Amino acid sequence: DTGVSQDPRHKITKRGQNVTFRCDPISEHNRLYWYRQTLGQGPEFLTYFQNEAQLEKSRLLSDRFSAERPKGSFSTLEIQRTEQGDSAMYLCASSLLTGGNRAGELFFGEGSRLTVL
Amino acid sequence: GQQLNQSPQSMFIQEGEDVSMNCTSSSIFNTWLWYKQDPGEGPVLLIALYKAGELTSNGRLTAQFGITRKDSFLNISASIPSDVGIYFCAGPSGYSSASKIIFGSGTRLSIRP
Repeated sequence: DTGVSQDPRHKITKRGQNVTFRCDPISEHNRLYWYRQTLGQGPEFLTYFQNEAQLEKSRLLSDRFSAERPKGSFSTLEIQRTEQGDSAMYLCASSLLTGGNRAGELFFGEGSRLTVL
Repeated sequence: GQQLNQSPQSMFIQEGEDVSMNCTSSSIFNTWLWYKQDPGEGPVLLIALYKAGELTSNGRLTAQFGITRKDSFLNISASIPSDVGIYFCAGPSGYSSASKIIFGSGTRLSIRP
């Protein structure tokens, strides 16, 4: 399978614990996005990378959230001291930014669903 | 910041009906994208539009890039059960089409029993 893969698919944790999600993008894609989605809402932008550089982080994101893409390939999203409001689907997407500017053509993974008890 | 507003929020259709939905913004977009999300899965790109006035089809789906560059429309002809899902419009939040991609809140399409 050469699509975007996310791990784990489901995570249940207690409030106050740390969680980490991993995303493996399509191999030749240089852009990687993280989104959060709650029921009935569209994907909410969290952060994105071009290669290993983090280009932007949403101002809505607290300091408890951090993302890395150390070698420009896979990425991790860590949430520290989880709160019940962090319960959501965390979606990863990748795209290929070229001179033709088709960077909006995102390919999504199936998401990691987080439940904080 | 830029926001995308989708309407309607939800719709119930009979199989075989045509469907129309739209997406508007208070600011200009240089690219409009339409995605569909099925339950438990990530969104999948349906159609991408890159020029004002552009009309693009993908099977029974047709999307248009509004002339004002502040709106886009998606039409589905002769709907079938597998069209059920949530449809999102999306676009780059800045002037460059390489800006981060933001999404609307979606139009949920259901089949009337």
